Amino acid sequence: EDQVTQSPEALRLQEGESSSLNCSYTVSGLRGLFWYRQDPGKGPEFLFTLYSAGEEKEKERLKATLTKKESFLHITAPKPEDSATYLCAVPKTDSWGKLQFGAGTQVVVTP
Amino acid sequence: GAGVSQSPRYKVAKRGQDVALRCDPISGHVSLFWYQQALGQGPEFLTYFQNEAQLDKSGLPSDRFFAERPEGSVSTLKIQRTQQEDSAVYLCASSPREGPNYGYTFGSGTRLTVV
Repeated sequence: EDQVTQSPEALRLQEGESSSLNCSYTVSGLRGLFWYRQDPGKGPEFLFTLYSAGEEKEKERLKATLTKKESFLHITAPKPEDSATYLCAVPKTDSWGKLQFGAGTQVVVTP
Repeated sequence: GAGVSQSPRYKVAKRGQDVALRCDPISGHVSLFWYQQALGQGPEFLTYFQNEAQLDKSGLPSDRFFAERPEGSVSTLKIQRTQQEDSAVYLCASSPREGPNYGYTFGSGTRLTVV
């Protein structure tokens, strides 16, 4: 069964305090891993796609990495505007088009 | 607008009432998805359209849920005889092509509360 598990559930950071979020997955034949950001009252916003182990993608203070079993989202020197819920997702085994999401990590960055 | 538009933003329905949720995808986007998101959880897949064809409806929780996209643009998710367990945020997403690789653009969702 396809599963995506994110940890921690919640993370409280001081501005400038770097940290990492984890996304572990079990799926037959990974066809990409996706990171989204979701602000309260909004839909998820696409951040990155990773395809193969060792791949890295960066956007501003965010860097996503991928291994064969998990992905990490590193937040470097976060700012309060980085506060959001970060979701990872993988395509389901039975259908490339539909995504299996994790429950997300809620990040709060305080000044 | 440039984004995915959903209406209404909020809907309160009495148990047993029928509701219709609308999604206006980005113009020209081929793929359209409906997801259901419970509080504190990630979105759960409901159904998927490519143009007007409904290719996958395996995530619809029961036969009370029905989705359509008759002209390959606007889509409507209909829930008949609503139950309390239907309370959730319903998200619509669209993509310019088949598959998730270029990222889905999500709307802000419709928050449905069944009382």
